[in-house]
Amino acid sequence: ELKVEQNPLFLSMQEGKNYTIYCNYSTTSDRLYWYRQDPGKSLESLFVLLSNGAVKQEGRLMASLDTKARLSTLHITAAVHDLSATYFCAVDTRFGNEKLTFGTGTRLTIIP
Amino acid sequence: DAGITQSPRYKITETGRQVTLMCHQTWSHSYMFWYRQDLGHGLRLIYYSAAADITDKGEVPDGYVVSRSKTENFPLTLESATRSQTSVYFCASSGTGQGSDQPQHFGDGTRLSIL
Repeated sequence: ELKVEQNPLFLSMQEGKNYTIYCNYSTTSDRLYWYRQDPGKSLESLFVLLSNGAVKQEGRLMASLDTKARLSTLHITAAVHDLSATYFCAVDTRFGNEKLTFGTGTRLTIIP
Repeated sequence: DAGITQSPRYKITETGRQVTLMCHQTWSHSYMFWYRQDLGHGLRLIYYSAAADITDKGEVPDGYVVSRSKTENFPLTLESATRSQTSVYFCASSGTGQGSDQPQHFGDGTRLSIL
């Protein structure tokens, strides 16, 4: 059974600081997704990482994938208040059926 | 408008009642999914469908029924609602099969309370 663990679960950080959210998964997979969710809202796709060594960046967010270590990171650079949200990683099961297993999420709060 | 829509957005019902949550997408995506979101559990897959008339169980299917007679619709039915099914339910869809770089797209969710 595929397990996906994120840490930390809660993160408060000051504006302007850098931090990293980690996503570990238990079985082989080469597709990983990052989503953002604002309180009471839907999930918004941030990144799709398809291969070992994949790195994608959008604004102050950068995601990477190491399939050998079964680890993905979401790095936040010079955080701003607008980045406050819950971030989820999700891993596919590699059986071609598009099923995803989600981590429990990291609730990020940016403090002015 | 193109997209994925869920209805109703909010629903309050009583234990033992049947309730159906609707999901409609306009992209002609092959795959559709139902998740529930609960504090401390993230999103858990209830059922999914690879195409019309093809459905399969996810992680937490007990107490739920789905159907997919048309590609664009994927209703979720709670046949006899229980309080443990109080949750936020999300429908999602994705377009293609293995190797796709397309993420799942999510609806706005249905907040269901069972009294």
